Amino acid sequence: DTAVSQTPKYLVTQMGNDKSIKCEQNLGHDTMYWYKQDSKKFLKIMFSYNNKELIINETVPNRFSPKSPDKAHLNLHINSLELGDSAVYFCASSLGLAVTDTQYFGPGTRLTVL
Amino acid sequence: AQSVTQPDIHITVSEGASLELRCNYSYGATPYLFWYVQSPGQGLQLLLKYFSGDTLVQGIKGFEAEFKRSQSSFNLRKPSVHWSDAAEYFCAVVLYNNNDMRFGAGTRLTVKP
Repeated sequence: DTAVSQTPKYLVTQMGNDKSIKCEQNLGHDTMYWYKQDSKKFLKIMFSYNNKELIINETVPNRFSPKSPDKAHLNLHINSLELGDSAVYFCASSLGLAVTDTQYFGPGTRLTVL
Repeated sequence: AQSVTQPDIHITVSEGASLELRCNYSYGATPYLFWYVQSPGQGLQLLLKYFSGDTLVQGIKGFEAEFKRSQSSFNLRKPSVHWSDAAEYFCAVVLYNNNDMRFGAGTRLTVKP
């Protein structure tokens, strides 16, 4: 069974559209994260949630809104997509609250904005 | 500026050869240190981490890393590389009492037969 899963794996869309990426973990972890990896492979944390509560909110445009319906899910909704949003987005989870806890990553969602 | 640096963008080694991937950090205090591997089309997987204590850390898949405070380095090593080790390797740091994980730019490892 996949520990951290993301859907879709690929997402191609036009500028200005609104899209969502879903993430689910079946590890029973309390904390979930979203990361963005740009075209140069640079990886940066965007958000983290612990038990549905926002913990980390890095400097990310407010067009990005995470939503956690329960502690096993953390979805990422993006409004008014821009070319610069093209990247691979990774979801991750960890048992504890600290970012130093071992994180388990999903396979990524490659978003292409045309 | 505070940063984590991986000086080598791409490294090629022959299968069976030894490997060392470099990571340097520039923070006032010693951060928590991590190495992750990203296989093609996959998410990241933690290889090992260092918080304190013994400066030589053993990880999964036969990897180890050594923390050297004097050099602000945390280099990853493997004595004999396998073809399946071809991947992207990321060094990451978390500053003490901070909940922000910073990643290096990654080193792509190619393994020649």
